Amino acid sequence: SQQGEEDPQALSIQEGENATMNCSYKTSINNLQWYRQNSGRGLVHLILIRSNEREKHSGRLRVTLDTSKKSSSLLITASRAADTASYFCATDAIAGNMLTFGGGTRLMVKP
Amino acid sequence: KAGVTQTPRYLIKTRGQQVTLSCSPISGHRSVSWYQQTPGQGLQFLFEYFSETQRNKGNFPGRFSGRQFSNSRSEMNVSTLELGDSALYLCASSLQGQGFEKLFFGSGTQLSVL
Repeated sequence: SQQGEEDPQALSIQEGENATMNCSYKTSINNLQWYRQNSGRGLVHLILIRSNEREKHSGRLRVTLDTSKKSSSLLITASRAADTASYFCATDAIAGNMLTFGGGTRLMVKP
Repeated sequence: KAGVTQTPRYLIKTRGQQVTLSCSPISGHRSVSWYQQTPGQGLQFLFEYFSETQRNKGNFPGRFSGRQFSNSRSEMNVSTLELGDSALYLCASSLQGQGFEKLFFGSGTQLSVL
């Protein structure tokens, strides 16, 4: 079963626009991570935010975490065609024994 | 530093056969996790090994098994293959001794069961 659910499932934007993806989860967590996957290849770690953090930045990425609402968002600013990929949130639950992935958001950035 | 290496990249098997997939983690990483990815079920955790011991296990039948060697390389085995086992199998390694932080993934093994 998936701890995280992502919204939207698919997103299509133009180059230069911002892309926002949301993730909701069910139980208390140690941390929440975002990964990117390019067409059926392995996942690449983007950013990790701990349960006691509210916002984190890495280059064009901005992640927020609201533990009271059990939700997170990933913002990619000034999108590029190379950002086209699937994006997954993953949670390390306090009472869990695995990293649990959401269903992913498929992002298409049109040149 | 070399990344996580998975072999083979593609595999075609028939129902009832068994298969072994291999994963070499990043040098120095002692934790190796395996995931199954399908369009319908998404990414599902199979198991995690640390220092040759299975530390965590997902909700998969006993046909799915794995092991880890003293050099941290890991293998997973699926016996009596079923059509539903067709999936991308991903291996990930991490430096962490506890918890799950920053996994490094291999490119995966695409298994097709006919």
